[in-house]
Amino acid sequence: DAGVTQSPTHLIKTRGQQVTLRCSPKSGHDTVSWYQQALGQGPQFIFQYYEEEERQRGNFPDRFSGHQFPNYSSELNVNALLLGDSALYLCASSFRVAKQFFGPGTRLTVL
Amino acid sequence: GNSVTQMEGPVTLSEEAFLTINCTYTATGYPSLFWYVQYPGEGLQLLLKATKADDKGSNKGFEATYRKETTSFHLEKGSVQVSDSAVYFCALTYSTLGRLYFGRGTQLTVWP
Repeated sequence: DAGVTQSPTHLIKTRGQQVTLRCSPKSGHDTVSWYQQALGQGPQFIFQYYEEEERQRGNFPDRFSGHQFPNYSSELNVNALLLGDSALYLCASSFRVAKQFFGPGTRLTVL
Repeated sequence: GNSVTQMEGPVTLSEEAFLTINCTYTATGYPSLFWYVQYPGEGLQLLLKATKADDKGSNKGFEATYRKETTSFHLEKGSVQVSDSAVYFCALTYSTLGRLYFGRGTQLTVWP
């Protein structure tokens, strides 16, 4: 059974561009949460998706948006990239609000 | 609001030394408390948890006790190994929401 998978592993973008990150949850999980981990910091909650709807949102601007598909996979979209968006983006999946399993993350670098 | 404060790192120890990483929290109500570990190049792994006051979480020789009176959840291990070198994060959540609030992390390096 594969755990939480994320793609791509790394990517490099320039300021002003848009990016899409993808997450496949662990089998049997229906809830996906996204976190941003800046260098040297703890992960910060971006938002959580359940039943294809955003259920909770952290303190992130509207440039950050997401989507959950019927198969429970999820995307995180960031528009108008800023240098400060450079971070490790972590996806976590769970069944409802039970224990969360984290993926390895996507390292985004904005130049 | 909800927040977690961890002791600043990095922490450098010799193998078999005793480890303590301090964690205190600010929260309303009765959160669950966690320690996560992040090995180089990997995602977060749950190390241990405690869901109510005076609970002790334990795993792989690590322990932490939920102290409501001091709002603390300090991580301890009696004898660290080189393989314990990683970044450790203290976190809290409310079971009805599942959102995790993390501390800044503490880098641990263990030398042979």
